[in-house]
Amino acid sequence: EDQVTQSPEALRLQEGESSSLNCSYTVSGLRGLFWYRQDPGKGPEFLFTLYSAGEEKEKERLKATLTKKESFLHITAPKPEDSATYLCAVWGGGFKTIFGAGTRLFVKA
Amino acid sequence: GAGVSQSPSNKVTEKGKDVELRCDPISGHTALYWYRQSLGQGLEFLIYFQGNSAPDKSGLPSDRFSAERTGGSVSTLTIQRTQQEDSAVYLCASSLRWNTEAFFGQGTRLTVV
Repeated sequence: EDQVTQSPEALRLQEGESSSLNCSYTVSGLRGLFWYRQDPGKGPEFLFTLYSAGEEKEKERLKATLTKKESFLHITAPKPEDSATYLCAVWGGGFKTIFGAGTRLFVKA
Repeated sequence: GAGVSQSPSNKVTEKGKDVELRCDPISGHTALYWYRQSLGQGLEFLIYFQGNSAPDKSGLPSDRFSAERTGGSVSTLTIQRTQQEDSAVYLCASSLRWNTEAFFGQGTRLTVV
């Protein structure tokens, strides 16, 4: 069964303190991995799509990487406005995209 | 419209009543998805539409749940005989094609009392 596990559940950082969020997945034939950001009371906002192991994508302070078993979302010198829940989702074929439970990030000034 | 629009934004209903949730996707997006998000949980896939047809209904939790899409645009998710465990935020998303970048609406928060 396709499965997505995100860790940690919550992460508290000081402003400027870089860190990484993890997304481990089990899927029979990965066809795509998505990262989304979700602010309280809002729908998820698309960040990145990764399709194959070794692929990397960057946007401002965020960088997403992909291996055959996991993906990392690296946050460099975070700011308080980066505080949100970050969701990982995998597409393993068929029509479903399976979401992880998310990592809640808190960045303190 | 500029984004995915969902209505109502909040709905409180009595147990046993039927509810209809509406999603107006981005114009030109052929793919439309419904998800359910319970407090502190990830998104649970409900159903996917390509145009007006639904190739995958496997995520619908029970036969009390149904969805339709008309004119390749607006979609309605109907929950009959609501139960307290149906309380959640129901999110709709659309994308240009299947499983490409998806744009989400703000969601409908359903509370069954």
